Amino acid sequence: GNSVTQMEGPVTLSEEAFLTINCTYTATGYPSLFWYVQYPGEGLQLLLKATKADDKGSNKGFEATYRKETTSFHLEKGSVQVSDSAVYFCALTQGGSEKLVFGKGTKLTVNP
Amino acid sequence: NAGVTQTPKFRVLKTGQSMTLLCAQDMNHEYMYWYRQDPGMGLRLIHYSVGEGTTAKGEVPDGYNVSRLKKQNFLLGLESAAPSQTSVYFCASSRRERSYNEQFFGPGTRLTVL
Repeated sequence: GNSVTQMEGPVTLSEEAFLTINCTYTATGYPSLFWYVQYPGEGLQLLLKATKADDKGSNKGFEATYRKETTSFHLEKGSVQVSDSAVYFCALTQGGSEKLVFGKGTKLTVNP
Repeated sequence: NAGVTQTPKFRVLKTGQSMTLLCAQDMNHEYMYWYRQDPGMGLRLIHYSVGEGTTAKGEVPDGYNVSRLKKQNFLLGLESAAPSQTSVYFCASSRRERSYNEQFFGPGTRLTVL
């Protein structure tokens, strides 16, 4: 079945550091890929998405590129801020399915 | 718009008690979902609904029941709570489209079963 594997945290960075959170997936066919973010005490919200190979999703300075050859969708940001502290979830859905499959989440803490 | 709201925000139950979690959305979305979030497990789908009057099982449905009598509401019931059901529960909703549609999440309900 479909699955998502993302790097385990927690990840702790200093402000303005470069961020990478790795995400790889297993799926048949051509899934759509997503990053969701969960700020403390809140529900999840969509951060960015990519629906086909080589697409780059971007939002709020975060980027991720859909790499079919490596089945990856790594999240990157060039300069993190304290306000980026949150839990980040990689997810996929497939073939118009209404269901999302989530990774286990990576907690990011950014220190001033 | 309030988006997706959940009631209650917190609840403590004793083993064997029952309760119902209410989810409401004001975005006229067709699809609604219930997830549970446990440490180190990500989010797991419990049940979902693709329209009023319809429900389907997700990844971890045992011990839960759901109902979707109105399009805007999706109820999650625990008939006989167990400590293993201690978790944070999230409701979500989305539109029905041919391609992927974004899921909008509520703020969560933290349930503790003693």
